Amino acid sequence: QSVLTQPPSVSGAPGQRVTISCTGSSSNIGAGYDVNWYQQLPGTAPKLLIYGNSNRPSGVPDRFSGSKSGTSASLAIAGLQAEDEADYYCQSYDGSLSTYFFGTGTKVTV
Amino acid sequence: QVQLVESGGDLVKPGGSLRLSCAASGFSFSDHYMTWIRQAPGKGLEWVSYMYNSDSTKYYADSVKGRFTISRDNAKNSLYLQIDSLRAEDTAVYYCARVNSGWFDYWGQGTLVTVSS
Repeated sequence: QSVLTQPPSVSGAPGQRVTISCTGSSSNIGAGYDVNWYQQLPGTAPKLLIYGNSNRPSGVPDRFSGSKSGTSASLAIAGLQAEDEADYYCQSYDGSLSTYFFGTGTKVTV
Repeated sequence: QVQLVESGGDLVKPGGSLRLSCAASGFSFSDHYMTWIRQAPGKGLEWVSYMYNSDSTKYYADSVKGRFTISRDNAKNSLYLQIDSLRAEDTAVYYCARVNSGWFDYWGQGTLVTVSS
């Protein structure tokens, strides 16, 4: 099955900018499928953060931004805040298998 | 507002079965694909299964194929997951979520399935 690789952890001081990478392959991200991002605060269900590579749902601060290039995608958090401390997951689709799949997850520490 | 509420999680012995339910409200359920996602304790998210809104097209992760069955009742605005031949590695919080053009825009709070003798 498809795999999306993320760094296990990322940390930054309040106010800093951090980025999380999501590396796929030519069968998923590289095949043109969108990458979506989710934020999971401790003890809660995941929440959609970025959809369609770079779009923010209503209510998500513009400090969060997404991008995609080739077989990889990135999530950037600008002006890091204590409330951003959470686990972040990328997600995409494998058209050859007709299955969805998630990245390995990244814990952000502020 | 969109609400998804899972139920049915329980402590089950290995080899047992369970049926999870997801009650949807606040949107036109029959217009949307729906999916199940699980998260083992302390682990990452694992996509499990999804199904189309209007026909019986269903897809499963390799790890659950042949043991899990997804279904829905559009008249009852409900999604189901029948889990058979339960294994210790199926222990997880199971979330249902609404599929929107390839992303999961609304999630339930999850229901815990524990497989242990």
